Amino acid sequence: DVKVTQSSRYLVKRTGEKVFLECVQDMDHENMFWYRQDPGLGLRLIYFSYDVKMKEKGDIPEGYSVSREKKERFSLILESASTNQTSMYLCASSRTGWGTEAFFGQGTRLTVV
Amino acid sequence: AQSVSQHNHHVILSEAASLELGCNYSYGGTVNLFWYVQYPGQHLQLLLKYFSGDPLVKGIKGFEAEFIKSKFSFNLRKPSVQWSDTAEYFCAVIGAAGNKLTFGGGTRVLVKP
Repeated sequence: DVKVTQSSRYLVKRTGEKVFLECVQDMDHENMFWYRQDPGLGLRLIYFSYDVKMKEKGDIPEGYSVSREKKERFSLILESASTNQTSMYLCASSRTGWGTEAFFGQGTRLTVV
Repeated sequence: AQSVSQHNHHVILSEAASLELGCNYSYGGTVNLFWYVQYPGQHLQLLLKYFSGDPLVKGIKGFEAEFIKSKFSFNLRKPSVQWSDTAEYFCAVIGAAGNKLTFGGGTRVLVKP
């Protein structure tokens, strides 16, 4: 079974803190994604990576950065957390190629107070 | 830029009723299309996908979807729903030219027993 593991299910942070969300996949997938999920807005892509050290901005990258030093690990960084970043964050991975699907982690519910 | 639009935010049905969820996408080239489902408290999982061939695609749990290229649509259907189909459903598209997986806003489906 493909497994995408996010380090925390729930996280509470203070405004201005630097926050790290970690994601690990065990299927040697080339692509990894970070989304945020908000009611009525669906999943919005923050960043994705198609190879180690490679990254591309998604639709809402402002206020976030990412790091991919190893193929299996993709980190999302909130440099200075703000209350409007309170959300559910989902990590996903997929293999490069036509018709391949993405596999998702359980999500991290982040609350910024 | 690619985008996905889901027409209904909320749908309420009784058991045994038929379900149809609309999805339209915007992308100028060849696409892969997906429907994902998120049951309460669970991670997103794939229901079905289209990447080529027969435009009528069958997925898990009795779901099917029809790709109509001329209408840029990929509507999801199930002839007779069960209480266990209560979930949020997401349509997604990835274009042939890239790795970016874009989701719609989601439709929450509540099936009353």
